[in-house]
Amino acid sequence: QVQLVQSGAEVRKPGSSVRVSCKTSGDTFSDNAITWVRQAPGQGLEWMGGIIPVFRTPHYSQRFQGRLTISADESTNTVYMELSSLRSEDTAVYYCARVPKARLIRYPMDVWGQGTQVTVSS
Amino acid sequence: DIVMTQSPLSLSVTPGEAASISCRSSQSLVHGNGYFYLNWYLQKPGQSPQLLIYLGSTRASGVPDRFSGSGSGTDFTLRINRVEAEDVGVYYCMQALQTPLTFGGGTKVEIK
Repeated sequence: QVQLVQSGAEVRKPGSSVRVSCKTSGDTFSDNAITWVRQAPGQGLEWMGGIIPVFRTPHYSQRFQGRLTISADESTNTVYMELSSLRSEDTAVYYCARVPKARLIRYPMDVWGQGTQVTVSS
Repeated sequence: DIVMTQSPLSLSVTPGEAASISCRSSQSLVHGNGYFYLNWYLQKPGQSPQLLIYLGSTRASGVPDRFSGSGSGTDFTLRINRVEAEDVGVYYCMQALQTPLTFGGGTKVEIK
């Protein structure tokens, strides 16, 4: 059974960076894509970007271009999401989710991590 | 970007009754292969979202058959027959046709 386990809650100051990890198990790492979605307090879901580890090429939403870095470590089956130049509006729960067939589009996000709370506060 | 619009914003349903949620996209979600790339998710209180429906009408593994999806082009509907207490939460539609993937604003379902 596929599982995605994320790293724990983080508190950061404005202007700093945060890195959240997403460790996968139960499936072949290279057969999947991993995507990141965030949810601000009381708000809906927002797609940030994703990566297909076998191609090592990340794809980002334009909203986060220049601030977002998604990477994958195949040796540990872990995907990382790093967001820089943090502001208070980045306070949110960040989710990783699996997309099968090593595609970012067309296939659904069918397994989700438990979410990581990131709080940006001075 | 494809804009996804859901209605209603919230729904209060008596257990055993049916409920419907509408989702409209700003452009057609049909691919050249004929499939509609529209997914439905449910986020129960305090939990991560879970996949209910993909390709507009295909139930995900383990999803009860009281959930059904329909629609085409730009208009889609999620129907819940015989709503149960465990169905409470926020329902989201999402287009998977192109990046950036985009979600509807959500529909909160409560039990009367």
